[in-house]
Amino acid sequence: DIQMTQSPSTLSTSVGDRVTITCRASQTIRSWLAWYQQKPGKAPKLLIYKASSLESGVPSRFSGSGSETEFTLTITSLQPDDFATYYCQQYNDYPLTFGGGTKVEIK
Amino acid sequence: EVQLLESGGGLVQPGESLRLSCAASGFTFRTYAMSWVRQAPGKGLEWVSGINGNGGSTYYADSVKGRFTISRDNSKNTLYVQMHSLRAEDTAVYYCAKEMCSSTNCYAIDYWGQGTLVTVSS
Repeated sequence: DIQMTQSPSTLSTSVGDRVTITCRASQTIRSWLAWYQQKPGKAPKLLIYKASSLESGVPSRFSGSGSETEFTLTITSLQPDDFATYYCQQYNDYPLTFGGGTKVEIK
Repeated sequence: EVQLLESGGGLVQPGESLRLSCAASGFTFRTYAMSWVRQAPGKGLEWVSGINGNGGSTYYADSVKGRFTISRDNSKNTLYVQMHSLRAEDTAVYYCAKEMCSSTNCYAIDYWGQGTLVTVSS
């Protein structure tokens, strides 16, 4: 199975900051990576697919990059609505696997 | 508007069985792969199982292989997961999920249900 490792697990930050979250795959997944945002008590929301494609309706301050085994999610100028937990997921092979999550919290 | 509505969750004892259902609407159900994803209380997301559009291919996480069976009824626009030999570690919110796919690959989950809670406890 492909293991997905996210870092950091928690990020304390402020409104207006630039945030970068990293996701590493245990083997190459080409560009088959998605990023999700989840708020407490809610279902996850798709942000990015195929490593760098922005889902419709998602603000342009979110961006994704990377390929093979290393990927990043970047949020430029963090907004109050962005405090949440973020997950990566690989879609290269079954079983599909998620990263452990990164909680973005208010400093 | 895409809607996914899960049902069937509840409290069961270890070793018992449960079947979850997911009623789908707002899209051509039979043409999309679907998944079940779960989240234990206070924990991260865990993909559980997936099925292609015609039901001919199914996939499972190692943690549920041999105990869970995913299926779909395209005439009823409904996704199922039959869960046997339930364990305390299966306690979680179970989400029904629609996959975003091209003609050749699926590459994300673009719609999620609201989730149904399964609690396995004596």
